[in-house]
Amino acid sequence: ETGVTQSPTHLIKTRGQQVTLRCSSQSGHNTVSWYQQALGQGPQFIFQYYREEENGRGNFPPRFSGLQFPNYSSELNVNALELDDSALYLCASLRDRGYNEQFFGPGTRLTVL
Amino acid sequence: AQTVTQSQPEMSVQEAETVTLSCTYDTSESDYYLFWYKQPPSRQMILVIRQEAYKQQNATENRFSVNFQKAAKSFSLKISDSQLGDAAMYFCAYRSTVDNTDKLIFGTGTRLQVFP
Repeated sequence: ETGVTQSPTHLIKTRGQQVTLRCSSQSGHNTVSWYQQALGQGPQFIFQYYREEENGRGNFPPRFSGLQFPNYSSELNVNALELDDSALYLCASLRDRGYNEQFFGPGTRLTVL
Repeated sequence: AQTVTQSQPEMSVQEAETVTLSCTYDTSESDYYLFWYKQPPSRQMILVIRQEAYKQQNATENRFSVNFQKAAKSFSLKISDSQLGDAAMYFCAYRSTVDNTDKLIFGTGTRLQVFP
């Protein structure tokens, strides 16, 4: 166990809907990254938040957005869901930017029908 | 842009034997970090081992060791005395030291099966 939790575990949505995924970072960690892992692929970086500000984004459209709260928990929001958004969504927290070890949560499995 | 390639979709090993998983990467940077992560069926990524590119010495963590060949851009993982609990997906990952983020660039993974 890494101390990083995610909710919900599984989620089923239909195309066009909106979804919010949640991540609770390990205690003392002020940085969180979100990744999308399609079936049979490695995780792809979506974005990172440091002290409540987005400090970097991967190749994902603006309908993928996020928030980080003062307690450093985080949300990933996806609007206008598409079938290709079906994936495992992972969050990873780290103690500070530049620190080596990232601790991953167990992920949320999103299915879009 | 950096890329990470894992050319072995699946590998298998007998319990107590040794197995090596391959990883190559492409980058124009001289300083960076490389990682091996394990993802069991529970889905939670676990860091197995990390290597700083400026260090010539290969990293070792108990039964896990790497063969880091910087010039060849190769970073293989050796698992000695394999155990049933080692069965999982293994991902090689790269992290830049000049990027503004801590993003990891992952390969497509190698599924390791361990037979008793």
